[in-house]
Amino acid sequence: EPEVTQTPSHQVTQMGQEVILRCVPISNHLYFYWYRQILGQKVEFLVSFYNNEISEKSEIFDDQFSVERPDGSNFTLKIRSTKLEDSAMYFCASSEALSDQSPWRQLFFGEGSRLTVL
Amino acid sequence: AQTVTQSQPEMSVQEAETVTLSCTYDTSESNYYLFWYKQPPSRQMILVIRQEAYKQQNATENRFSVNFQKAAKSFSLKISDSQLGDTAMYFCACLMEYGNKLVFGAGTILRVKS
Repeated sequence: EPEVTQTPSHQVTQMGQEVILRCVPISNHLYFYWYRQILGQKVEFLVSFYNNEISEKSEIFDDQFSVERPDGSNFTLKIRSTKLEDSAMYFCASSEALSDQSPWRQLFFGEGSRLTVL
Repeated sequence: AQTVTQSQPEMSVQEAETVTLSCTYDTSESNYYLFWYKQPPSRQMILVIRQEAYKQQNATENRFSVNFQKAAKSFSLKISDSQLGDTAMYFCACLMEYGNKLVFGAGTILRVKS
């Protein structure tokens, strides 16, 4: 069964360093997402991406964050200068396109990348 | 804005017994979808069951069923004949029709004991 894969599974970094989290969405999916979960808190939406541009982003997704689909398979989340409060589990997800017959999308999630900022 | 609340941080159930996980939500939208996701330890979140808000009939998927009370904005998950493999974190989530953004609850850890 097709899966969303994420790398790395765990990354430890120093405050102020740049981090890139990578995701390989399911191949025929057109929508891509990043969510994060700070330990003990809710899973929060960060950003959605469609047709090579951001379709929606949350207040959390400030100028320190960026997303990119550098080739036909990868979808990346970059944090330019990490802060302690960026420590979290980051989940990538992908989904098919909407249609009139299906006005909702089933999101398929990866296993997550745990980011620890020291 | 939508909010989703899961008031049970942890639950335990004996194998083969039935357990109900609670979820309440708040939204001003008239058309929305509700979901329960399961996240086993170190595994992906997977969709367990979904409910369209415009449907009165409660969704059922094998041993999993929901009790959807639209007026009360309540969406509980019932797991019948619990199995050890049901041990996981369970997230309740809400999505607007044609929306991009899932809004999650804080999750409930379910432990099934033999």
